[in-house]
Amino acid sequence: AQSVTQLDSQVPVFEEAPVELRCNYSSSVSVYLFWYVQYPNQGLQLLLKYLSGSTLVKGINGFEAEFNKSQTSFHLRKPSVHISDTAEYFCAVTRNSGNTPLVFGKGTRLSVIA
Amino acid sequence: DSGVTQTPKHLITATGQRVTLRCSPRSGDLSVYWYQQSLDQGLQFLIQYYNGEERAKGNILERFSAQQFPDLHSELNLSSLELGDSALYFCASSPREGNTEAFFGQGTRLTVV
Repeated sequence: AQSVTQLDSQVPVFEEAPVELRCNYSSSVSVYLFWYVQYPNQGLQLLLKYLSGSTLVKGINGFEAEFNKSQTSFHLRKPSVHISDTAEYFCAVTRNSGNTPLVFGKGTRLSVIA
Repeated sequence: DSGVTQTPKHLITATGQRVTLRCSPRSGDLSVYWYQQSLDQGLQFLIQYYNGEERAKGNILERFSAQQFPDLHSELNLSSLELGDSALYFCASSPREGNTEAFFGQGTRLTVV
């Protein structure tokens, strides 16, 4: 089975500063990896995903993530955050063969401070 | 707007009651997934349907059941409700059986009092 650990439950950061949200996964098989964002009172929106190919994945809103197989990590980064990036961010994993549901981490609350 | 519609948005009901949550997937999507989001458990997968058939089951209680209809909309039925069932229930849809393109609805917030 797959599992995801998001190492920080809350990350405060000043506006225009860089940010990294950490995600580690556990799996005995190859995986697909995802980052979703949840704004207050809204559903989850896909930020980016890694399926195969280049380990650096670019997503929406200026976010990117790097898949590191040896460290079983998929950290999310943004070079300069905005107030509007304040939200909950979820890392998710699923095995890349067959049909298995997404397994989510507990989430990281990003608070951008003006 | 993800294209996935969930109704109702909010639901308040008493313990012991039964409720039905409805999900309309994006046009053309054959897979529907149900998730429960609570403060203590996070996002937990409940069940998946693909083109009317159950495909995968997660941590879904026996008091809960779901189905997907011929028009591909899905309903999640929660019965004998307990206070601990209070949560956000999300539906997601994808074109195929796999999860590589899952789009989430805005959720139904269930409060059991």
